[in-house]
Amino acid sequence: GAVVSQHPSRVICKSGTSVKIECRSLDFQATTMFWYRQFPKQSLMLMATSNEGSKATYEQGVEKDKFLINHASLTLSTLTVTSAHPEDSSFYICSARDSGRGSNQPQHFGDGTRLSIL
Amino acid sequence: QKEVEQDPGPLSVPEGAIVSLNCTYSNSAFQYFMWYRQYSRKGPELLMYTYSSGNKEDGRFTAQVDKSSKYISLFIRDSQPSDSATYLCAMSFNTGKLIFGQGTTLQVKP
Repeated sequence: GAVVSQHPSRVICKSGTSVKIECRSLDFQATTMFWYRQFPKQSLMLMATSNEGSKATYEQGVEKDKFLINHASLTLSTLTVTSAHPEDSSFYICSARDSGRGSNQPQHFGDGTRLSIL
Repeated sequence: QKEVEQDPGPLSVPEGAIVSLNCTYSNSAFQYFMWYRQYSRKGPELLMYTYSSGNKEDGRFTAQVDKSSKYISLFIRDSQPSDSATYLCAMSFNTGKLIFGQGTTLQVKP
């Protein structure tokens, strides 16, 4: 149980392209999902908290207009990197928490999306 | 001072060894403690999750939390080459935002 699917796993595109990444909870509902960014040999950095049916909460220093988050259902959150540039190249990982099993559930992670902007 | 400190390693052990991974933290308000395993180019996989002081065992893995010392540990018994990965400790105040350690790279040599 507690499977989180992230798609696509790899994206290579030209500078200026917008890229959408999907995060799905396959066997549970998640009112809250999280988006992280990870640089090589570093730990995960939380970018934003995605809340179903409401606006996302962004961490300090993360541009809201650059990283658009939509959480339209209890099993799907999307992250769109708008007008991506080479400095946006990174490993993006989402996580979700089972909201149907009480408040003290751990986060389960997807397998990440490796984004490369040429 | 970082909120969560974790020795990045790398840590290299022979197959069958007992591995001890540790994290210290500064904020006594942390309530939930987790260990994740991350293979290269993959997302973190939850290994252990606890919210009280003491030990929790799951197969070859034992998680230990000492809230008085602000110290958590993960022990791996009979380590295998397939255990080679980066191990991340994480903690949170209320299962919302996770604060991660830097991660320890473990290599188990056959």
